[in-house]
Amino acid sequence: GENVEQHPSTLSVQEGDSAVIKCTYSDSASNYFPWYKQELGKGPQLIIDIRSNVGEKKDQRIAVTLNKTAKHFSLHITETQPEDSAVYFCPIQGGSEKLVFGKGTKLTVNP
Amino acid sequence: GAVVSQHPSWVICKSGTSVKIECRSLDFQATTMFWYRQFPKQSLMLMATSNEGSKATYEQGVEKDKFLINHASLTLSTLTVTSAHPEDSSFYICSARDAGNYGYTFGSGTRLTVV
Repeated sequence: GENVEQHPSTLSVQEGDSAVIKCTYSDSASNYFPWYKQELGKGPQLIIDIRSNVGEKKDQRIAVTLNKTAKHFSLHITETQPEDSAVYFCPIQGGSEKLVFGKGTKLTVNP
Repeated sequence: GAVVSQHPSWVICKSGTSVKIECRSLDFQATTMFWYRQFPKQSLMLMATSNEGSKATYEQGVEKDKFLINHASLTLSTLTVTSAHPEDSSFYICSARDAGNYGYTFGSGTRLTVV
């Protein structure tokens, strides 16, 4: 079945620095790789996603890179801002339709 | 962009009563909707998957008679927590999959407190 691990579990950076979160998954059938940001008391919000036929995708300060051979994909946030502070998730959609979530990464951007 | 509306955003109920949570896709048709539960400082745990017009598929360990799911149309799914107990207190989140582009959009969540 689908399984996903995120590293690190917590990440603290200074404003303006870059942040990188890595996800490793087990199901080779996975073809869709989204990243969600969840602020306290709110539902997850999609910030970027990538499909298996693409190795990298960028949207302003956010980028996602995918290594399908190694079964990992990473979120890169550049020029971090305090409002980037949140919990980030990289759920996996394997052979089934459902998204399975890992434990998340709590990012804190210090002003 | 795709919007999913979830109501209520918070609810307090007494033990033994039932609570209904609604999840609506506002600008797209959702062939599949999902219900998650999230305890404080933990991840989202999938409870069930619902398809319009058919019975929901529950994850292992989730009581289907306690968490009733109805997916009556392509834009509406409801979760009813029956005979609620304090241990059912949690943050419930729905998600809808867009039949057009296959993306997943989440609702804003419902904070349920059972007293």
